[in-house]
Amino acid sequence: QVQLQESGPGLVKPSETLSLTCAVSDFSISSSGYYWGWIRQPPGKGLEWIAFMYHSGSSYYNPSLKSRVTISVDTSKNQFSLRVSRVTAADTAVYYCARIPLDPYRSGRFDYWGQGTLVTVSS
Amino acid sequence: DIVMTQSPDSLAVSLGERATINCKSSQSVLYSSNNKNYLAWYQQKPRQPPKLLISWASTRESGVPDRFSGSGSGTDFTLTITSLQAEDVAVYYCQQYYSIPVTFGGGTKVEI
Repeated sequence: QVQLQESGPGLVKPSETLSLTCAVSDFSISSSGYYWGWIRQPPGKGLEWIAFMYHSGSSYYNPSLKSRVTISVDTSKNQFSLRVSRVTAADTAVYYCARIPLDPYRSGRFDYWGQGTLVTVSS
Repeated sequence: DIVMTQSPDSLAVSLGERATINCKSSQSVLYSSNNKNYLAWYQQKPRQPPKLLISWASTRESGVPDRFSGSGSGTDFTLTITSLQAEDVAVYYCQQYYSIPVTFGGGTKVEI
């Protein structure tokens, strides 16, 4: 059973950079056939996809966030990370990490999720 | 971007009765090369992450009770919960994975 666990600061100041890490257990992040990604959910609202990445380095970003977001993978630690720069109150959300089965033709759905971590942007 | 529109926003169903949730995409999510609909359904209970229920519009994930079923093709999809149980109280989301950016519907809250 794949397990994912997010970690990072729960409070970030406006204009600073939000950094989160997702540790993956019981499954190798280097396994073929899976992307690893991030989704967020503002309090009381719906889901927004942020980005996902393959262990080899290919990555995909939501165009609405692309200019401020970086996703990276550390295969030696079996974890991946998210950075969101120049944050505002609108970036306040629960951030989830997830696994995405690779599809050879189109994109993917999210089959395993972390429990999520609330990040609040406030001074 | 493909816009996913769910209806209704919420519904109240008696225990043992049927719940029907609709999801409409702004363009077709049926890929002709493999004849698959790139549409998933998730269940999110309070203070929990979403759980993948159905992929490819109608394929239940392992361990998902058979009272959950998905149907539809192209742009119109339905999630049906037959014989609603108390543990099915949740918000349900559809998601298209036909194209980047993947997008979610706004959610449908199911209550007893």
